[in-house]
Amino acid sequence: DGGITQSPKYLFRKEGQNVTLSCEQNLNHDAMYWYRQDPGQGLRLIYYSQIVNDFQKGDIAEGYSVSREKKESFPLTVTSAQKNPTAFYLCASSASGTYNSPLHFGNGTRLTVT
Amino acid sequence: KQEVTQIPAALSVPEGENLVLNCSFTDSAIYNLQWFRQDPGKGLTSLLLIQSSQREQTSGRLNASLDKSSGRSTLYIAASQPGDSATYLCAVRSGAGSYQLTFGKGTKLSVIP
Repeated sequence: DGGITQSPKYLFRKEGQNVTLSCEQNLNHDAMYWYRQDPGQGLRLIYYSQIVNDFQKGDIAEGYSVSREKKESFPLTVTSAQKNPTAFYLCASSASGTYNSPLHFGNGTRLTVT
Repeated sequence: KQEVTQIPAALSVPEGENLVLNCSFTDSAIYNLQWFRQDPGKGLTSLLLIQSSQREQTSGRLNASLDKSSGRSTLYIAASQPGDSATYLCAVRSGAGSYQLTFGKGTKLSVIP
């Protein structure tokens, strides 16, 4: 079955440590996205990538970094510079970066930093 | 800046009832609007995508309408079932940076058996 796989489902880290969240898709989609979801707030865009080896900052990119070395993979690193990293992180993809392609989401990674 | 509002934040209905969820947006210059379902602790599942040139889309018991001029969309669920219980989110794609979606905060639906 085609889909988006995020791992791990739960992640625990100590403050000051960098952590990398995995996102893999086998939908052959060009565009991939990272969103953050906090209780009582809408999803907020962290980074997006329309094509391999290219990515752009979203609304809340500070303290995060990404890479897009392969079409199917878009890992997100939460650095120690992120002030409030505890959140639910969602990865998504779409067939192309154009406006008429629906987004498909993975099942998320819940990160807890103490 | 586009803003998306979903009211009410929570809704509880008895099984079998037809119901309507609302989504409003401030900038009518949108490319499309997408409705999602989110179960607790899970990702988002796409339900319906309405392009700006369309008035409605249907999938099974779900019907989504779009009125761009008034900045509104509704998701109609017919003959609700307990399995429909989830949070429903709408998102609009609009303006510069059309790769971005602006999400509402969602409506949490509970269907009581």
